[in-house]
Amino acid sequence: KQEVTQIPAALSVPEGENLVLNCSFTDSAIYNLQWFRQDPGKGLTSLLLIQSSQREQTSGRLNASLDKSSGRSTLYIAASQPGDSATYLCAVSSPNTGFQKLVFGTGTRLLVSP
Amino acid sequence: EAQVTQNPRYLITVTGKKLTVTCSQNMNHEYMSWYRQDPGLGLRQIYYSMNVEVTDKGDVPEGYKVSRKEKRNFPLILESPSPNQTSLYFCASSSPGRAPYEQYFGPGTRLTVT
Repeated sequence: KQEVTQIPAALSVPEGENLVLNCSFTDSAIYNLQWFRQDPGKGLTSLLLIQSSQREQTSGRLNASLDKSSGRSTLYIAASQPGDSATYLCAVSSPNTGFQKLVFGTGTRLLVSP
Repeated sequence: EAQVTQNPRYLITVTGKKLTVTCSQNMNHEYMSWYRQDPGLGLRQIYYSMNVEVTDKGDVPEGYKVSRKEKRNFPLILESPSPNQTSLYFCASSSPGRAPYEQYFGPGTRLTVT
């Protein structure tokens, strides 16, 4: 059974700092991995999607990497800003659970202070 | 604009009073699903649909029903809501035939059952 873990559960940093969010999964036979952002009480905004054949994806100040063999992904945020404060979720789809179904981690709550 | 819409966004109801949460997408996606999000448990899949008239249970289907009579719509039905169904609900859609099979989420429906 695929399980997704995100560490840390919460993170507080000063503005301008570079930071890394971690995501690990137990079944390396994944189809893709998505990183989402969720603002309090709001919906999910897709940030980056990495297919199983890819090693990383970049969008602006965000860079996500994928190491399937070790069951890990990281989301790197450069030069953090207060507007980055949100909960970040990672989710994987796997052939074993139906490739359209996403299994989510419980998220990392990020607070960036001015 | 490509989007997934949900209605209502907020709902407070009483135990046993039947309700329906609507979900609609304008991207001609075959696959649609419902998730619920609870603190400490993350997002869990309730039901999914691979296409019109094809639905199946996810991880937490008890107490819910769905139907898929049209490709764009996938309503979630709670025939006799109970307080343990108080949660934040998300509808999602994607296209199995269109790589990289990114999933798009609606804005969420916050349901409170008293």
